[in-house]
Amino acid sequence: GAVVSQHPSWVICKSGTSVKIECRSLDFQATTMFWYRQFPKQSLMLMATSNEGSKATYEQGVEKDKFLINHASLTLSTLTVTSAHPEDSSFYICSATGPPHNEQFFGPGTRLTVL
Amino acid sequence: AQSVTQPDIHITVSEGASLELRCNYSYGATPYLFWYVQSPGQGLQLLLKYFSGDTLVQGIKGFEAEFKRSQSSFNLRKPSVHWSDAAEYFCAVVPSGGSYIPTFGRGTSLIVHP
Repeated sequence: GAVVSQHPSWVICKSGTSVKIECRSLDFQATTMFWYRQFPKQSLMLMATSNEGSKATYEQGVEKDKFLINHASLTLSTLTVTSAHPEDSSFYICSATGPPHNEQFFGPGTRLTVL
Repeated sequence: AQSVTQPDIHITVSEGASLELRCNYSYGATPYLFWYVQSPGQGLQLLLKYFSGDTLVQGIKGFEAEFKRSQSSFNLRKPSVHWSDAAEYFCAVVPSGGSYIPTFGRGTSLIVHP
């Protein structure tokens, strides 16, 4: 299957700072990318869907101004957690899909800890 | 809207025993169906998927799943569990011919006793 990478794999930051997480498709063109959040012992919660070159579509209850998503190229999407607070600490997972694939390929996840 | 039910939060089996993890879905048509495994602190690894055709699907690590349309189920099975299979397992459905946005079940935690 296709490969999706995330960077960093883990990050610790101070409350009030912003953190950027990158998601890259390594061997295919990702026309659509997805960002998920996962709390301990819980399932994945879809935060937003982004199509290359378009604004992201956020799920209900997800703050657009807090979780900035950019999908500027067919291989890269970024999630920026702005003014992070301890309650933003979580495991963030991205996924990507694009022709000819009809399934999502998941990144390894990024563990964010906000102190 | 589609939904996915994994009725078992935890399942405990002995090493070498057989395993079945249940997954039921609610959707108007036949969706695409997936099983993923997640080890602690890791991302999701695809075990197997069903799009169409043969309803018994073989996956990696000795896993298989059977799609039963009449029961709206896609249960995951393994004849002999290894200690390394201990992990979280997620069933997911994706509407066929559309958005590729999956709906995940809440997950089943597999515990393997020696």
